[in-house]
Amino acid sequence: DQQVKQNSPSLSVQEGRISILNCDYTNSMFDYFLWYKKYPAEGPTFLISISSIKDKNEDGRFTVFLNKSAKHLSLHIVPSQPGDSAVYFCAALGGSARQLTFGSGTQLTVLP
Amino acid sequence: DAGITQSPRHKVTETGTPVTLRCHQTENHRYMYWYRQDPGHGLRLIHYSYGVKDTDKGEVSDGYSVSRSKTEDFLLTLESATSSQTSVYFCAISEDGAQRAFFGQGTRLTVV
Repeated sequence: DQQVKQNSPSLSVQEGRISILNCDYTNSMFDYFLWYKKYPAEGPTFLISISSIKDKNEDGRFTVFLNKSAKHLSLHIVPSQPGDSAVYFCAALGGSARQLTFGSGTQLTVLP
Repeated sequence: DAGITQSPRHKVTETGTPVTLRCHQTENHRYMYWYRQDPGHGLRLIHYSYGVKDTDKGEVSDGYSVSRSKTEDFLLTLESATSSQTSVYFCAISEDGAQRAFFGQGTRLTVV
């Protein structure tokens, strides 16, 4: 049973528009959430994170929103750029086991 | 970039043969992880280590063993490779297991 779910395998947006990537989780013990970006033939790289005590964290063009009551987080990219085309993984951390639990990923394609 | 080196980067092996993948870090981080990435599953944890000779199982540990005799090295062994273990394997490190992890470039393993 997946504890972290990314229900959209792919997303296409036009350059300059907003990209919104969504993630849902089921484990209420998760207290820290991260987004990773992955290009082909490379390892995932950390993008942005948020603690469960916050509902928003912003870093340049990237903003992560957390809705704890809905167990939902989203990543907003504004404005989207062609170089943002990659697979985005949502991950969660919490409980006694210090290990990241990942979603299945969303392939973002930003069209020029 | 975090100092993580995975070797080999690519390997083709035959069913039933043993295979060892190596992860080497120069960051002196306490936590080390092995993940596998498969289409539709994202990244799934195989095993992790929270110190020298301290290891624990992850979500998909069957058929895999690990060893960590030094802080900098974490070995993943497939005792008898099967076709279902064809995957891309990623090593990751984390200073305290509490926040972000840094990933290696990955090892593409094909079992024929």
